[in-house]
Amino acid sequence: DIQMTQSPSTLSASVGDRVTITCRASQTISIWLAWYQQKPGKAPKLLIYEASSLESGVPSRFSGSGSGTEFTLTISSLQPDDFATYYCQQSNSYSTFGQGTKVEIK
Amino acid sequence: QVQLQESGPGLVKPSETLTLTCTVSGGSISSYYWSWIRQTPGKGLEWIGYIYYSGITNYNPSLKSRVTISIDTSKNQFSLKLISVTAADTAVYYCARGRSGTFYIADYWGQGSLVTVSS
Repeated sequence: DIQMTQSPSTLSASVGDRVTITCRASQTISIWLAWYQQKPGKAPKLLIYEASSLESGVPSRFSGSGSGTEFTLTISSLQPDDFATYYCQQSNSYSTFGQGTKVEIK
Repeated sequence: QVQLQESGPGLVKPSETLTLTCTVSGGSISSYYWSWIRQTPGKGLEWIGYIYYSGITNYNPSLKSRVTISIDTSKNQFSLKLISVTAADTAVYYCARGRSGTFYIADYWGQGSLVTVSS
């Protein structure tokens, strides 16, 4: 199994802040990484696929980078709608998810 | 707009079989991969398996011995069967569509169905 480890587990930030979430894979996964946003009681929403490709309709303040074993999701200017939990997902070998990063209001 | 809707019992007894169906509307079930994913507070998000419209399947190795995913293209539905359930199978179960050309990247999700395993 490829293990995905996100950091931090919780992040406190204010509207307008630049936010970065890290995801590390236990072995190399090339660019086969996606990011999702989930709000309470809702299904996850796809934000980024193939490490850095923005899903259609997702605001451009979201961006992804990385390859191999280390990846980041960046929100350039945090908006009120962005307070949520974020998950990374690898799809290099089957599929596994990170444990999530909760972005909360500071 | 593609929509997915899970249906099935919300309560299953230990050792019995969990069965869920996902109905796809607003688009064809053909030419995509369709997945089941579950979420628990303890283990987080867990991919269960996928099926292609042709019937090809792939399962999470940790669940493979207990899982069957099937598809009915005439009804635009696919289904999950999980046998010999225990309390550890209590979760919110999601059905999802694989983004075009991909197996695992889910671009459309159902709202989720809470299944509790309890006597």
